[in-house]
Amino acid sequence: GIQVEQSPPDLILQEGANSTLRCNFSDSVNNLQWFHQNPWGQLINLFYIPSGTKQNGRLSATTVATERYSLLYISSSQTTDSGVYFCAVNNNAGNMLTFGGGTRLMVKP
Amino acid sequence: SAVISQKPSRDICQRGTSLTIQCQVDSQVTMMFWYRQQPGQSLTLIATANQGSEATYESGFVIDKFPISRPNLTFSTLTVSNMSPEDSSIYLCSVRLFQETQYFGPGTRLLVL
Repeated sequence: GIQVEQSPPDLILQEGANSTLRCNFSDSVNNLQWFHQNPWGQLINLFYIPSGTKQNGRLSATTVATERYSLLYISSSQTTDSGVYFCAVNNNAGNMLTFGGGTRLMVKP
Repeated sequence: SAVISQKPSRDICQRGTSLTIQCQVDSQVTMMFWYRQQPGQSLTLIATANQGSEATYESGFVIDKFPISRPNLTFSTLTVSNMSPEDSSIYLCSVRLFQETQYFGPGTRLLVL
């Protein structure tokens, strides 16, 4: 099946700093989503982005499908950004979303 | 978007018992998914549940251990049977809309003693 790798696995930031999270995948995809799992366990959709660039407030994402990676940018980080960020993909072979291992982010005040 | 609710939100169970988790969606969806998230780990798909047909299980998951019902287009249940401490996880229900964005319920936190 498709492999999804995220980096870095852990990240500590000072409030106000910017960061870039990366997601590499091993095959072509027709669906790529970024999620934020908050400290209470709730998964929040951030972006549906199988290709191209999207922005939503302080967050933006870019997927370069031909090179099989996606980036999530967090600018001016806040303590509420803390949690785990997951990248998930599915390809034409099936309907299941395959998740990466996640990036655990802690933003310190 | 989709609003998904799960019951119970959390439970503590004794080994050898079974727990049924309910998932309710505010709109009709064809495909519902059940995921497991073990402590500190990523999400793993247990099975895909389509209304009117048997659930499709992923490798490593079997119907006897995780029976699933899908009686209509807005509801599904997952049972965790004959539980052991290794079943302690968060169990999440998920749906996909318009073949694109996938949404997740709040999860059921299960602790097996």
